[in-house]
Amino acid sequence: DGGITQSPKYLFRKEGQNVTLSCEQNLNHDAMYWYRQDPGQGLRLIYYSQIVNDFQKGDIAEGYSVSREKKESFPLTVTSAQKNPTAFYLCASSNPGQAGSGTGELFFGEGSRLTVL
Amino acid sequence: SQQGEEDPQALSIQEGENATMNCSYKTSINNLQWYRQNSGRGLVHLILIRSNEREKHSGRLRVTLDTSKKSSSLLITASRAADTASYFCATGRYSSASKIIFGSGTRLSIRP
Repeated sequence: DGGITQSPKYLFRKEGQNVTLSCEQNLNHDAMYWYRQDPGQGLRLIYYSQIVNDFQKGDIAEGYSVSREKKESFPLTVTSAQKNPTAFYLCASSNPGQAGSGTGELFFGEGSRLTVL
Repeated sequence: SQQGEEDPQALSIQEGENATMNCSYKTSINNLQWYRQNSGRGLVHLILIRSNEREKHSGRLRVTLDTSKKSSSLLITASRAADTASYFCATGRYSSASKIIFGSGTRLSIRP
């Protein structure tokens, strides 16, 4: 079945360590997104990518990095520079033709919950 | 910063009643979307309304958009226990259509 797969579902990290969250999609979407969600809060945009080998910072990019070497994959690295990384991370993608015209719905993965010990 | 702000932040109603949630946003948009999130899960798309549309229906959902007031509302009619979830509005900005920004959400609880 087509969809978005995030892994791992749960991740624990010690302070000072970098961790990478995986996001893979087989929907043939050009655009991919990473959002952060804190308890009881909305989603905040970290990074997004409209096409392979290109990505833009969202509203809270500090302490995070991404790469987009393949259309299907958009991994997010939470670096030690991120001061409060404990959160629920959501990856999404959207249809390429619709994304450019701003009409694409987002398809979400099931999320990765990161806890810093 | 959050583009959209939903109100109320939380809503509790009796099963069978209608639920109305509102969303306000700040900048010009291409479209506005509503999503649903069950606790601890990813979001699911419900409905999209374009900036040149005023009202849209999908099953028990009715969405309105007032671009002059920069606001939208989501109405769920004849609510069911399974409608219990958080609901978010999301906007695609006119200047950067691919940058989808979410509001803070409304937590809806349906009492049986």
